[in-house]
Amino acid sequence: DGGITQSPKYLFRKEGQNVTLSCEQNLNHDAMYWYRQDPGQGLRLIYYSQIVNDFQKGDIAEGYSVSREKKESFPLTVTSAQKNPTAFYLCASTRGSTEAFFGQGTRLTVV
Amino acid sequence: QKEVEQDPGPLSVPEGAIVSLNCTYSNSAFQYFMWYRQYSRKGPELLMYTYSSGNKEDGRFTAQVDKSSKYISLFIRDSQPSDSATYLCAVLYNFNKFYFGSGTKLNVKP
Repeated sequence: DGGITQSPKYLFRKEGQNVTLSCEQNLNHDAMYWYRQDPGQGLRLIYYSQIVNDFQKGDIAEGYSVSREKKESFPLTVTSAQKNPTAFYLCASTRGSTEAFFGQGTRLTVV
Repeated sequence: QKEVEQDPGPLSVPEGAIVSLNCTYSNSAFQYFMWYRQYSRKGPELLMYTYSSGNKEDGRFTAQVDKSSKYISLFIRDSQPSDSATYLCAVLYNFNKFYFGSGTKLNVKP
């Protein structure tokens, strides 16, 4: 079955640590996105990539980094510079330009 | 001003009721309008999308867009307990940026 796979489902980070969230898709979609979801704030765009080896900052990119070395993969690193990383992170990809398909999310908690 | 504003709810209705969910948006350049449904601790799933003013129907769901007033709505007829979820409106800008509302939590009581 085609889809978007995010892993892990739950992730715990200690203060000062970098952590990487995985996002893989087998839909052959060109564009991929990372969103952060906090209660009452909806989805906020962190980074997006339209093609391999190219990506752009979204509205809240500070403290995050990404790479797009393969079409299928768009990992997100939450660095120690991100002061409030506890949130639900969602990866998405788009077919054409209109339909965004989402993964099941990774819940990151700082301990 | 946020790109998309959405009533946060929560909204609680009895089974069988008609539900109306609403959003407003700020930029007349937004091209596509979408509704997503998100169950607790899951990723959003696309319900419907449209690009023109007017109504689009899919089963018990109707999406409505009024570009003149920058208003988008989702109507659910004969609501079911399985419809209980958070509903997110979204708009597409420049064919590559999505903006989402904050979501309305709906509870349909049996």
